[in-house]
Amino acid sequence: KQEVTQIPAALSVPEGENLVLNCSFTDSAIYNLQWFRQDPGKGLTSLLLIQSSQREQTSGRLNASLDKSSGRSTLYIAASQPGDSATYLCAVGNGNKLVFGAGTILRVKS
Amino acid sequence: DGGITQSPKYLFRKEGQNVTLSCEQNLNHDAMYWYRQDPGQGLRLIYYSQIVNDFQKGDIAEGYSVSREKKESFPLTVTSAQKNPTAFYLCASSINGNQNEQFFGPGTRLTVL
Repeated sequence: KQEVTQIPAALSVPEGENLVLNCSFTDSAIYNLQWFRQDPGKGLTSLLLIQSSQREQTSGRLNASLDKSSGRSTLYIAASQPGDSATYLCAVGNGNKLVFGAGTILRVKS
Repeated sequence: DGGITQSPKYLFRKEGQNVTLSCEQNLNHDAMYWYRQDPGQGLRLIYYSQIVNDFQKGDIAEGYSVSREKKESFPLTVTSAQKNPTAFYLCASSINGNQNEQFFGPGTRLTVL
């Protein structure tokens, strides 16, 4: 059974800092990996989708990498801003299902 | 303005009642999904549908039922058999059920009184 773990569970950083969020998964036979952002009481916003054949994806200040063989993905956020404060969730795709981690709560202090 | 809508935003239920949560999408997506989110936990899959008139159980289907009579609609009924229904419910859709990016609605918070 696929299990997804996100470390750290919570992170507080000063504005302007570069940061890395980690995601690990137990079964490397995945089709893709998706990173989401969730604001309190809201739905999920898709940030980046990495297909299993890809190593990384970039969108603005965000960069996500995928290492299938080691079962790891990282989300790199450059020059963090207070507006980046949210919960970040990773999910691995096994065919037509997504398995989610519990998320990392990020707070960027101004 | 394309997207996924869920209603209501907040829902209160008395014990023993069935309630239905609405999910509509105008993205022309074939696949739709229902997830449940509890505090401090990741999302768990309740049901999913890859095509009209067909749906499959997810990891926690007990106490829930769904229908998919139209491509754009995938309502979820929380029955009285669901022992702990208080949670945040999220609906999602994707182009089809094969390895595609999923897009989420704003969610419905269900509270049992």
